[in-house]
Amino acid sequence: EIVLTQSPTTMTASPGEKVTLTCRASSSVSYMHWYQQRSGTSPKLWIYETSKLASGVPNRFSVSGSGTSYSLTINSMETEDAATYYCQQGSSYPLTFGSGTKLEIK
Amino acid sequence: EVQLQESGPGLVKPSQSLSLTCSVTGYSITSNYWGWIRKFPGNKMEWVGYINYSDNTSYNPSLKSRISITRDTSKNQFFLQLNSVTTEDTATYYCARLAGYWYFDFWGPGTMVTVSS
Repeated sequence: EIVLTQSPTTMTASPGEKVTLTCRASSSVSYMHWYQQRSGTSPKLWIYETSKLASGVPNRFSVSGSGTSYSLTINSMETEDAATYYCQQGSSYPLTFGSGTKLEIK
Repeated sequence: EVQLQESGPGLVKPSQSLSLTCSVTGYSITSNYWGWIRKFPGNKMEWVGYINYSDNTSYNPSLKSRISITRDTSKNQFFLQLNSVTTEDTATYYCARLAGYWYFDFWGPGTMVTVSS
């Protein structure tokens, strides 16, 4: 099973700040996917196949990485970006998720 | 648009079976793959399993001996049955559509299931 480790676990950012979240895999994966989950709602596909923004995702979000290390970057933090972000790999079974990074607004 | 809705009992006794239904509208379950995911208290997320357009299934090995996913194409629904539940099966259960390189593009709102006597 591929274990995904996300860091940090929790972080706080000010409006306008650049934010980087990291997801590291225990083995190489071909693609990484990301989900945003706001409190009380279901996860929403945010970024798929490593770098493609899902419908409606603002372009201040970007992802880079390959192999075992991936990063999600928000160029300029906004209030609506406060949420928990999960990475997920589909390269091998079982499909696995990271433990999440909770991003709060300062 | 694709919409999914989970339904089922919110409370199950230990050793009993958990049965959930996912009702899909806006898309036929005879296409694509359809999965179950659960989120535990404390936020850990786990893929449970899926059923595909050909009625083939795949399950998380951690659950393989206790789980069954089936479907009713006439009602456009698919189902999760988890046997011999324990308190460790307490979670919010989501159904979702799988797409592309194995990501979940549409999710239901989730249903919370508590295992308790």
